[in-house]
Amino acid sequence: GENVEQHPSTLSVQEGDSAVIKCTYSDSASNYFPWYKQELGKRPQLIIDIRSNVGEKKDQRIAVTLNKTAKHFSLHITETQPEDSAVYFCAASPQPTSGTYKYIFGTGTRLKVLA
Amino acid sequence: KAGVTQTPRYLIKTRGQQVTLSCSPISGHRSVSWYQQTPGQGLQFLFEYFSETQRNKGNFPGRFSGRQFSNSRSEMNVSTLELGDSALYLCASSLVYGALAKNIQYFGAGTRLSVL
Repeated sequence: GENVEQHPSTLSVQEGDSAVIKCTYSDSASNYFPWYKQELGKRPQLIIDIRSNVGEKKDQRIAVTLNKTAKHFSLHITETQPEDSAVYFCAASPQPTSGTYKYIFGTGTRLKVLA
Repeated sequence: KAGVTQTPRYLIKTRGQQVTLSCSPISGHRSVSWYQQTPGQGLQFLFEYFSETQRNKGNFPGRFSGRQFSNSRSEMNVSTLELGDSALYLCASSLVYGALAKNIQYFGAGTRLSVL
């Protein structure tokens, strides 16, 4: 069935270092890949997304890369700061013309940025 | 513009009872999805509604049900509650632009359900 695997489950980095979180999806119909950040006690918030016709997208310190052939996509955070500490979720969603807007989420990565 | 609103924010029930949770999407959004969030399992998809029709359902027992009203507000119901149903229940709404548009989901703050 549809599945998104996310690694690692926890990640600790020193402030200023980079962090990389990787996801693999199974449904070849997936064409939209958002990343959400959830701080403790708060709702998930979209931080960056990418569509299948793009290989990489950057937004300041955050970037996402997509390898559609291998069904891999990754989140890269550079120059990490303590406020980046949170749980990050990747997700895969099929094209809306398939008649669904369902997201399949990864199991999350708890990122700790050590000062 | 108001965000996604979920009520109530907290709920305590006992085993065997039933519960109804409510979600009001962002104005104009027609798609509403529900997720169960637990510490070990992440975000598990429950179901998705669009124009009052359930279009997708996750792998949850029939005790979990939902519906959507003509104003896009949605409710989910859990009958015969079990201890394992204790979780944060999140709903998310999407604005349906069209076939080539991105499907961005905006989350509510959730309802934390505790089953004793």
